[in-house]
Amino acid sequence: QKEVEQNSGPLSVPEGAIASLNCTYSDRGSQSFFWYRQYSGKSPELIMSIYSNGDKEDGRFTAQLNKASQYVSLLIRDSQPSDSATYLCAVFGGSQGNLIFGKGTKLSVKP
Amino acid sequence: DTGVSQNPRHKITKRGQNVTFRCDPISEHNRLYWYRQTLGQGPEFLTYFQNEAQLEKSRLLSDRFSAERPKGSFSTLEIQRTEQGDSAMYLCASSLGHNDNYGYTFGSGTRLTVV
Repeated sequence: QKEVEQNSGPLSVPEGAIASLNCTYSDRGSQSFFWYRQYSGKSPELIMSIYSNGDKEDGRFTAQLNKASQYVSLLIRDSQPSDSATYLCAVFGGSQGNLIFGKGTKLSVKP
Repeated sequence: DTGVSQNPRHKITKRGQNVTFRCDPISEHNRLYWYRQTLGQGPEFLTYFQNEAQLEKSRLLSDRFSAERPKGSFSTLEIQRTEQGDSAMYLCASSLGHNDNYGYTFGSGTRLTVV
C-alpha cells in the first residue's frame, strides 16, 4: 500500500513567521510531488510542484525534495492569516497512475 | 475555459436511493479523475479515465459505484443504493496526462449527504 504521511497538526505560527510543513512517502519509484492548499469547505488548489532533488521557490513558497530520504517539505515565508488552510502533500508515480494524497496538515496563522 | 465544473454542488438523498454526479473537465485535458474526501482526510482515489477508457479503479470503488466518460468529454459517477458511509465530498479533477508540470485541476466538488 503506497502511503503519504503528514502531521495532521494543527500547526500554529504567528503572522510573519516561517511555516514548515513536512511529508514522507513510501514508494521509492515516485516521480512527481505536489503541494495543494485547501480552504475549509473548498476543493484543493495546486500551489507547488517539484520533480528534482533540491529546492524550488515560487514567491513566498519553497518546496524541498529529498528522494533519498523520501521526504518533501513546504516552507511558507512571511506567513499571512490568509495562508490558514489545510496543506495536502500529493505524490505521483511508481506503480500507480494517479496522485496519492496525505491527510493534510492544518495551518493556522495568528495575527 | 472556466476550469473543471461539477454538478450538483450539494446533494441530500435518502439511504437506498441512487445518485448521479456530473463532471465537465477542462476541454483540452484528456485525463479525468474521481476522488472522494471525508472530513479530516485527504482525497482518496476512486477511478480515472484517459479519454473514454477507464484505466484504473480503486478497491474503494464497490460494485455500487459506476463511472462513465462517453466520448471522452464529461464524466458521470453513479452511486446505487446509497449508504450513510457514502456521505463525503466527491471531487473530480482533470489533467493533460500524467507527469505534466501542472498536476491536477480540481472542480469545486459535490457534497453528498445520505440521511
